[in-house]
Amino acid sequence: QSALTQPPSASGSPGQSVTISCTGTSSDVGGYNYVSWYQQHPGKAPKVMIYEVSKRPSGVPDRFSGSKSGNTASLTVSGLQAEDEADYYCSSYAGSNKMVFGGGTKLTVL
Amino acid sequence: EVQLVESGGGLVQPGGSLRLSCAASGFTFSSYYMHWVRQAPGKGLVWVSRINDEGSSTSYADSVKGRFTISRDNAKNTLYLQMNSLRAEDTAVYYCARDGSGSYVYWGQGTLVTVSS
Repeated sequence: QSALTQPPSASGSPGQSVTISCTGTSSDVGGYNYVSWYQQHPGKAPKVMIYEVSKRPSGVPDRFSGSKSGNTASLTVSGLQAEDEADYYCSSYAGSNKMVFGGGTKLTVL
Repeated sequence: EVQLVESGGGLVQPGGSLRLSCAASGFTFSSYYMHWVRQAPGKGLVWVSRINDEGSSTSYADSVKGRFTISRDNAKNTLYLQMNSLRAEDTAVYYCARDGSGSYVYWGQGTLVTVSS
């Protein structure tokens, strides 16, 4: 049950786009279409931004999009806004009724 | 409105035990799988455990298997996490979360567990 690999940090200026990667294996990210992305602001509970690789829950801006290729999933935030500055975590179903999270990426809006 | 409210956290000595509770409301609790996820101070999210809707099937992260037990009482709309043989590395905020398509739309506010002498 190794954690999924995310870059520790990412950044972009307001209005720009940034993509955060999440690399796993064929036993998790590559094997299932159950990849989710969460946004977490300091002191708050996480909020799901993307589920099932690319689906957006109601209320999540369409600036947030998800994709997957092989064992790597990606979250793209377009038109960066100040309120997008937060920690982002990916998660994936890992088989045998288990889940795994990524180590998290701190997104800074410059 | 869906609500998940954790309780039971606190300070416990290494080797001690604690039972966390998660009171659910605003949805049919007995229809959903539930999970515990933890977050050590300043660290990332870590999946801990899952239980199916009936309470008949459970799974655990390797780091807690054999020490933690997840359970539920559907009549009381409550999820539990019994934590035994606690270690310093179990110190974290523990969240309960409702399963949905392999993701967690609903989370509790978390309860802090501190393992220290």
